[in-house]
Amino acid sequence: EIVLTQSPTTTAASPGEKVTITCLASSSVSNMYWYQQKSGASPKLLIYSTSSLASGVPDRFSGSGSGTSYSLTINTMEAEDAATYYCQQWSSNPLTFGSGTKLEIK
Amino acid sequence: QVQLKESGPGLVQPSETLSLTCTVSGFSLTSYNVHWVRQPPGKGLEWMGVMWSGGSTDYNSALKSRLSISRDTSKNQVFLKMNSLQSEDTTTYYCARDPRWGYFDYWGQGVMVTVSS
Repeated sequence: EIVLTQSPTTTAASPGEKVTITCLASSSVSNMYWYQQKSGASPKLLIYSTSSLASGVPDRFSGSGSGTSYSLTINTMEAEDAATYYCQQWSSNPLTFGSGTKLEIK
Repeated sequence: QVQLKESGPGLVQPSETLSLTCTVSGFSLTSYNVHWVRQPPGKGLEWMGVMWSGGSTDYNSALKSRLSISRDTSKNQVFLKMNSLQSEDTTTYYCARDPRWGYFDYWGQGVMVTVSS
């Protein structure tokens, strides 16, 4: 099983600040996917195929990476971005998720 | 538009079997994969298994012995059955659509299931 380790576990950012969340895989993966989950809601797709923006997602979100190291960046933090973020892989079974990064607004 | 909606009992007795239904609209089950994912209160996401668009299934090996996923394409429904429920199975269960690339572009609202006597 590929373990995805996200860092930081929790962080806070001021409006306008740049935020980067990292996802490290225990083995190389071909693609990474990112989701945003707000309290009491279902996860929402942000990034697919490592760097492609899902429909309707603001372009302040971006993804990058390869091999075992991937990242999600929010270029300029907004209050509505406060949420928990998860990475996900399915390069090998089972499909796995990272443990999540909780992002709060300062 | 694309929608997925989970339904099932909110409370299940320990050692009993959980049966959930995911009713979809706006797309065909023969064109998209549908997965089940669960999330314990305040915790992360766990993949359970998938109903492939072609009708076969794959399961998380950690749950495989207790889990069964099936579908009825005429009713646009995907079913989950899991037996021998214990307290650690108290969680929110989601169904989600996969556009055949191994990720989830639409999720249901989730259904919270509590295992308790």
